Amino acid sequence: EAQVTQNPRYLITVTGKKLTVTCSQNMNHEYMSWYRQDPGLGLRQIYYSMNVEVTDKGDVPEGYKVSRKEKRNFPLILESPSPNQTSLYFCASSPKQGYSNQPQHFGDGTRLSIL
Amino acid sequence: AQKITQTQPGMFVQEKEAVTLDCTYDTSDQSYGLFWYKQPSSGEMIFLIYQGSYDEQNATEGRYSLNFQKARKSANLVISASQLGDSAMYFCAMREPYNTDKLIFGTGTRLQVFP
Repeated sequence: EAQVTQNPRYLITVTGKKLTVTCSQNMNHEYMSWYRQDPGLGLRQIYYSMNVEVTDKGDVPEGYKVSRKEKRNFPLILESPSPNQTSLYFCASSPKQGYSNQPQHFGDGTRLSIL
Repeated sequence: AQKITQTQPGMFVQEKEAVTLDCTYDTSDQSYGLFWYKQPSSGEMIFLIYQGSYDEQNATEGRYSLNFQKARKSANLVISASQLGDSAMYFCAMREPYNTDKLIFGTGTRLQVFP
């Protein structure tokens, strides 16, 4: 089954304790992205990657790191989490875009609470 | 800067009626793609419909159609014959340029369908 898999689905942790949210896709997609969703703000893109070893900042990259060492994986790293990073996070992937746009496939989300 | 605006935080519609969800966008690029996603209470993001900036015809997918008015920079979603299962959050998004993975989302509209 074609899917984007995020882990963990839920995490409660404390300020300053490094954490990684993993994202893996099995569709051989070139593009992958991370978003955070906050009430009243919609989804905001954190980072995106258009190929292995190629990453770009989205609209809210501060406090986050990403890496794309393999095509299928795109982990999100919070090296020193703070309470304002409490949010619902989504990973998404899509094929390389031509004119016929393909939509992004989203994972089920990771609800992160930082105390 | 590119921006998506959804001015309706919430909408109500009676079952079997049609409803229009508004979306306006701002971009200086000529090539872009517009998407609508549905997020039910379970949280997943479901792709509904896509419109390219060069598409001359309005996109349609089953009960969903996109009323694309390029000069007015609007891309409204029309849901015909609403069903109770249509109750959800709806997000408009723009990919710009069209061949990248940079997406901007609106803040969403919560649609409630009543019997």
